[in-house]
Amino acid sequence: AQRVTQPEKLLSVFKGAPVELKCNYSYSGSPELFWYVQYSRQRLQLLLRHISRESIKGFTADLNKGETSFHLKKPFAQEEDSAMYYCALSRYSSASKIIFGSGTRLSIRP
Amino acid sequence: GAGVSQTPSNKVTEKGKYVELRCDPISGHTALYWYRQSLGQGPEFLIYFQGTGAADDSGLPNDRFFAVRPEGSVSTLKIQRTERGDSAVYLCASSNPGSRYEQYFGPGTRLTVT
Repeated sequence: AQRVTQPEKLLSVFKGAPVELKCNYSYSGSPELFWYVQYSRQRLQLLLRHISRESIKGFTADLNKGETSFHLKKPFAQEEDSAMYYCALSRYSSASKIIFGSGTRLSIRP
Repeated sequence: GAGVSQTPSNKVTEKGKYVELRCDPISGHTALYWYRQSLGQGPEFLIYFQGTGAADDSGLPNDRFFAVRPEGSVSTLKIQRTERGDSAVYLCASSNPGSRYEQYFGPGTRLTVT
């Protein structure tokens, strides 16, 4: 079965503290993994994708095929990081449906 | 340039009525997707179009749901005999090979069935 699991519905950390949002997946084949973010009153947008291997807004995510995980990390949280984060996957590098996790709300306390 | 737009932004309808939700993709994007997001959940895939044809409609929950994209641009999601369980935010996205198939999402239509 194709599935994305985000075990935490809510994660609250202090400004300046490290952040790790967990994501595990199951997929038959070679998926492409993503993190999407939705800030308050804004539309869903792509934060990063594993094939790009980029750091966006200080966030990174490493694909661990052995553990089927794609955790999102940031060393020092900022208040503007407060948002809803969705881990997602799709078939590699093609137009196809995205399967989303249920999301984690990240709240950064001042 | 202009992003994906969806109309209406909000729709309230009575149980049993018919509704149409519209999506205008980014100009030139060949692929268009519909998702449904219920409260507290991530978006759930419904259907996607490549040009005018439905390439994958495996997410449509039943035959009350239907979508069209007659000219390969604007798409309409149609729901017949609406039920209270259809209440959700309906999201549209579009993508293109030139942007490595990154899906750009619209603001959504919030459908409430009373």
